[in-house]
Amino acid sequence: GAGVSQSPRYKVAKRGQDVALRCDPISGHVSLFWYQQALGQGPEFLTYFQNEAQLDKSGLPSDRFFAERPEGSVSTLKIQRTQQEDSAVYLCASSYRQVSNSPLHFGNGTRLTVT
Amino acid sequence: GESVGLHLPTLSVQEGDNSIINCAYSNSASDYFIWYKQESGKGPQFIIDIRSNMDKRQGQRVTVLLNKTVKHLSLQIAATQPGDSAVYFCAEKVQGAQKLVFGQGTRLTINP
Repeated sequence: GAGVSQSPRYKVAKRGQDVALRCDPISGHVSLFWYQQALGQGPEFLTYFQNEAQLDKSGLPSDRFFAERPEGSVSTLKIQRTQQEDSAVYLCASSYRQVSNSPLHFGNGTRLTVT
Repeated sequence: GESVGLHLPTLSVQEGDNSIINCAYSNSASDYFIWYKQESGKGPQFIIDIRSNMDKRQGQRVTVLLNKTVKHLSLQIAATQPGDSAVYFCAEKVQGAQKLVFGQGTRLTINP
């Protein structure tokens, strides 16, 4: 069956460029999360949606980071004026209901390299 | 493929042996715990979860133990196979919140 799909798989951006990362969650999944994973580290929470509502964006590192999920399915993470410290793997995850009732299913991520 | 973790704690076991991966969590208000397996170039893959009202849960070849007194979680993998080689992460969820907070991770290497 279809899992969480993320695109592009790899993205190279010059410092200062804007990027947009796409996530297609599992069909019917209510909850959607974005995580950032630096090399050698565990995933770090960025933001959480329940349907189209962004209920928690406490993990976004700066106002250059923006996420949306306008119709409650596909989500886009946008990073403006990219910096070298933004280089990481960006993971998207979805779950059918609340996290404690159904585990998060992750995509394979988008690896962003800022040069 | 790219490496998930270059400087993680490492556990090496012989193929066929049992392995135990440990995790200390920090928040006594956490009510849900989960183990993920991550292979190079892939996203974390769900293994097993446990709620705080339990102290043990078993799956296929895996067992999770939860000790709330000392805030310790462990993952036992029976009869390890080469395909078990990966980085393993524990994660916790605080009661009332939705996000998972991940630990550092442990690299498991299976020797033939």
